[in-house]
Amino acid sequence: DVQMVESGGGLVQPGGSLRLSCVGSEFSFSSHNMHWVRQAPGEGLVWLSRIAGNGYDTKYADSVKGRFTISRDDARNTLSLQMNSLRVEDTAVYYCAGESGGNFHWGQGTLVTVSS
Amino acid sequence: QAVVTQEPSLTVSPGGTVTLTCGSSTGAVTSGHYPFWFQLKPGQAPKTLIYDTFNKHSWTPARFSGSLLGGKAALTLSGAQPEDEADYYCLLFYRDTRVFGGGTKVTVL
Repeated sequence: DVQMVESGGGLVQPGGSLRLSCVGSEFSFSSHNMHWVRQAPGEGLVWLSRIAGNGYDTKYADSVKGRFTISRDDARNTLSLQMNSLRVEDTAVYYCAGESGGNFHWGQGTLVTVSS
Repeated sequence: QAVVTQEPSLTVSPGGTVTLTCGSSTGAVTSGHYPFWFQLKPGQAPKTLIYDTFNKHSWTPARFSGSLLGGKAALTLSGAQPEDEADYYCLLFYRDTRVFGGGTKVTVL
């Protein structure tokens, strides 16, 4: 079965940085679009970023453009999200998801809390 | 960036039918937005129900169907079951970005 496991969440102060990782098994990152999505407490899903199967083409939601950077290490089948200049409103559970064959394979998420 | 709108909440009787819609601030939703529908239950990862407007996966119950309706994407639940009580999100493709709707909380009561 496909598995995605996120890590790297935690408590960080406003203005700080955090790097999230997502490791996949039974799913080749290099062949598929990979996404980061978040869900703030009591709120809905929000798409944040996508890296294409080629590993070079990246897109971002306006809310994180210029602050977050998505990247991928195909050798380790790992997806990353570098988050800088974090704000209180970035507090959320962050999910990675691999897109394949009309399906999104999701991890269980990692919680990021931005608070002083 | 586009805004995708869904009904905040809907209630359906057991065995009844309910239609959720997904609209776009940029105009009519078309097949070119490749609408996806996800079901989200507490403590679980989202589950893909519908992709590319109306396509189902092997795990999608037959009572769920996707379509385009009145310029919006639509998810119809026919014959609602108690286990269908959940949050439902649509996802639209805009060129190379994606935008989720705000989600619809479906209550089976």
